[in-house]
Amino acid sequence: AQSVSQHNHHVILSEAASLELGCNYSYGGTVNLFWYVQYPGQHLQLLLKYFSGDPLVKGIKGFEAEFIKSKFSFNLRKPSVQWSDTAEYFCAVNAGWSNYQLIWGAGTKLIIKP
Amino acid sequence: KAGVTQTPRYLIKTRGQQVTLSCSPISGHRSVSWYQQTPGQGLQFLFEYFSETQRNKGNFPGRFSGRQFSNSRSEMNVSTLELGDSALYLCASSLDGQTGANVLTFGAGSRLTVL
Repeated sequence: AQSVSQHNHHVILSEAASLELGCNYSYGGTVNLFWYVQYPGQHLQLLLKYFSGDPLVKGIKGFEAEFIKSKFSFNLRKPSVQWSDTAEYFCAVNAGWSNYQLIWGAGTKLIIKP
Repeated sequence: KAGVTQTPRYLIKTRGQQVTLSCSPISGHRSVSWYQQTPGQGLQFLFEYFSETQRNKGNFPGRFSGRQFSNSRSEMNVSTLELGDSALYLCASSLDGQTGANVLTFGAGSRLTVL
C-alpha cells in the first residue's frame, strides 16, 4: 500500500540549530506534496506545498522543502530554528493513485530548547 | 472570513454510547473531510463528502458514518463507542477535494474521550 514515512518521531534542537525533517513516500508518478504544522493548542495549518515547477519550495516562517523525485523525498528544512518553531510537523502526499486524498505521515514532534 | 468550525470541542462518553460531531466549512468550500488523530498514529482519513455525496472512505468500521447537508455542513457519527475511539476528530474543508491542488483548511477538532 502507498505510504508516507517520516523518519523521526521526536526531534529536540537548540535555538539557532539547523533543521531537516525527512519525508519519503512509497509510490512513483506525479504527486502533490505538502507539509502541515500544528503548533501547541492551534489548528493544523499549511506550511508549504509542491505541485510542479521548481523543486525547492519556500513556505511560511523561513521553512523550505526540496522535492527529489529520484529519492521519493520531500524533506523540510530551516537553517536556524527558533523556540516558536516547537510544533508537530506532518508530511502529506496526494496523487491520482490516492484519488487525491491526502496520505499522511505519522508526524514529527519538534521541541526547540531556548 | 470565518474558518472551519467544529462542535463540540470536547466531550466525554461511555462505551456503547453514540456521538455526533458537527463541522461547518469555510463559506464556498464544498468538500469536507474527516480525520481521526491519535498520538503516534498521525491522521487517519475517515471520509470525504462533496455536494452531499460521500466520495471517498477510509478503512474504518461501519460504526463510523457521516453525511453532508445542502449548505455543505457535515456531521459524523460514531455508534457503539469503544475505548479506542478516544481521539481528536478533525474536520477539513477545501474548494474541491478531488484535485491535487486543493489545500485543506482544518478546524480545531472535537476531542472525544470514551470511558
